[in-house]
Amino acid sequence: EAGVVQSPRYKIIEKKQPVAFWCNPISGHNTLYWYLQNLGQGPELLIRYENEEAVDDSQLPKDRFSAERLKGVDSTLKIQPAELGDSAVYLCASSLPGAAGDTEAFFGQGTRLTVV
Amino acid sequence: AQSVTQLDSQVPVFEEAPVELRCNYSSSVSVYLFWYVQYPNQGLQLLLKYLSGSTLVESINGFEAEFNKSQTSFHLRKPSVHISDTAEYFCAVSKGGKLIFGQGTELSVKP
Repeated sequence: EAGVVQSPRYKIIEKKQPVAFWCNPISGHNTLYWYLQNLGQGPELLIRYENEEAVDDSQLPKDRFSAERLKGVDSTLKIQPAELGDSAVYLCASSLPGAAGDTEAFFGQGTRLTVV
Repeated sequence: AQSVTQLDSQVPVFEEAPVELRCNYSSSVSVYLFWYVQYPNQGLQLLLKYLSGSTLVESINGFEAEFNKSQTSFHLRKPSVHISDTAEYFCAVSKGGKLIFGQGTELSVKP
């Protein structure tokens, strides 16, 4: 069975340009997460979906970041416009629903964004 | 607020030596605890987890971690490391459906 698939793996853009990342979770996983991982840091949650609903987006910078999960399967994370400080790895993860987060989250390989 | 502290950013060891990666968490309520491993250019993979029950949990590749409530710690240990264990290790707590990660410990195993 395929794991969490993310694309692209790498992206280099100029500042002020838009960029989008795509994630296909494991089949049957209702919960989808986007995490931001800065160099030398642990991942930090940007947004969590339960099916189509964003249930936790408190850490998403809504002035430039947006996300969607149409039909409760694939998800797209967008940045517009990108800033130099957005250079990082963007990780997508998925899991089965569980009480208080005790289920295992499966991570994709991430998209490494470089803003120049 | 919950937080996770990994006390060592880098741990260099020789092959076949024992290793301990330290993790402390702060929480006033019960938590679920995890260790994830990230190999170069890969996503995170679950290594082991503590949800309840026995305070000592083991992984299939020889790692173990012990939940110590009084010291709010969840240190990761392996009695004999291999070159292939070289990776970044992240300790995490889960609450309300969200994983909160530490800053990571880079384990470097040298021949």
